[in-house]
Amino acid sequence: SQQGEEDPQALSIQEGENATMNCSYKTSINNLQWYRQNSGRGLVHLILIRSNEREKHSGRLRVTLDTSKKSSSLLITASRAADTASYFCATPGDMRFGAGTRLTVKP
Amino acid sequence: NAGVTQTPKFRVLKTGQSMTLLCAQDMNHEYMYWYRQDPGMGLRLIHYSVGEGTTAKGEVPDGYNVSRLKKQNFLLGLESAAPSQTSVYFCASSYHTSYEQYFGPGTRLTVT
Repeated sequence: SQQGEEDPQALSIQEGENATMNCSYKTSINNLQWYRQNSGRGLVHLILIRSNEREKHSGRLRVTLDTSKKSSSLLITASRAADTASYFCATPGDMRFGAGTRLTVKP
Repeated sequence: NAGVTQTPKFRVLKTGQSMTLLCAQDMNHEYMYWYRQDPGMGLRLIHYSVGEGTTAKGEVPDGYNVSRLKKQNFLLGLESAAPSQTSVYFCASSYHTSYEQYFGPGTRLTVT
């Protein structure tokens, strides 16, 4: 299946630092999506990157996509305590989400 | 727009009881999904629908039934609840499978 798998499973940083999390997938894709989930809440879509894009920015978020390696990364710059959440990647048509990366940003 | 709403937000059932979870969306989305999320895990797809009147099985469909009689609503039924169905249930919708999904706030179900 085209299941996205996030790495690392958990990440703890200080406020102001950058956070990088990675996603690997198995087959060809049209796009890849990143979501955030605050504790006990539903997932919220963050950003979508198409297969013909290598990098995309949205505010403090930067997403890269390497289709040759079947991998993507999400970078959150100048992190804030409010960024504390779990982050998931998803590939279209897959309708599967991995266990995610649990990010903790300490004030 | 309310987006995706789910009712109820919380429910406690005894083993063997049945219940229906309701999901509603006001974005005119064709696709709707039901997921369950267990502690420390990702979301697992239970059933999904690609349009009014259609349903299909996901990764973990056993013990659940669904119906999509109206485009805006997607119902998830538990026929005979079991403790293994204790979980948080999320509904989502999307314009198409390639587009982003919009999630509801979840229903926390406990089966004793």
